[in-house]
Amino acid sequence: NAGVTQTPKFQVLKTGQSMTLQCAQDMNHEYMSWYRQDPGMGLRLIHYSVGAGITDQGEVPNGYNVSRSTTEDFPLRLLSAAPSQTSVYFCASSYVGGSSGNTIYFGEGSWLTVV
Amino acid sequence: AQTVTQSQPEMSVQEAETVTLSCTYDTSESDYYLFWYKQPPSRQMILVIRQEAYKQQNATENRFSVNFQKAAKSFSLKISDSQLGDAAMYFCAYRTGPLYNFNKFYFGSGTKLNVKP
Repeated sequence: NAGVTQTPKFQVLKTGQSMTLQCAQDMNHEYMSWYRQDPGMGLRLIHYSVGAGITDQGEVPNGYNVSRSTTEDFPLRLLSAAPSQTSVYFCASSYVGGSSGNTIYFGEGSWLTVV
Repeated sequence: AQTVTQSQPEMSVQEAETVTLSCTYDTSESDYYLFWYKQPPSRQMILVIRQEAYKQQNATENRFSVNFQKAAKSFSLKISDSQLGDAAMYFCAYRTGPLYNFNKFYFGSGTKLNVKP
């Protein structure tokens, strides 16, 4: 029962480097999203997808790219890492309907430090 | 955009006692969903309880219950018989109603709950 799987769990980057955070879900959910969590703040939406081939920006999209080529995968790319992107990143999936619909399922988080 | 406010950054409760965490939100929608999530030190987000706005009855899940006041836009979480394992950060979350093509979630800033033995 994997749910939402994120990799890597921890990563240290140098300023200017690029990297991709991987996210996969095995629940056949239409909706997937990426959030970042900074100290003292709630989760903020970076990008989201309503299905394969469809993505859109959330609240804090600058510096990040996403794509959704399959229902299962939703990678988040940092184009040129900056110290302001040091954060904990959560991938999530959800769907509407059913007894457990309208609920969002989170991965375990990816801790990213940019030095 | 909807906003979710948790005015208590940190709270403490004695083991076996009851504690209430507060949450208010701002919205112009009539149909939406509210959630409480627990985040232990592992950082994993765990669903505690959810409430559909169209339901007048307050949701309950074992020792967890909510007080949903729709007119006041208030959604508090009551934890009864607090246990050491309840110590965590708790996030209140709002989800847009089904009319939208994406169910956006908005989160509060969290309340850190300490449980004293």
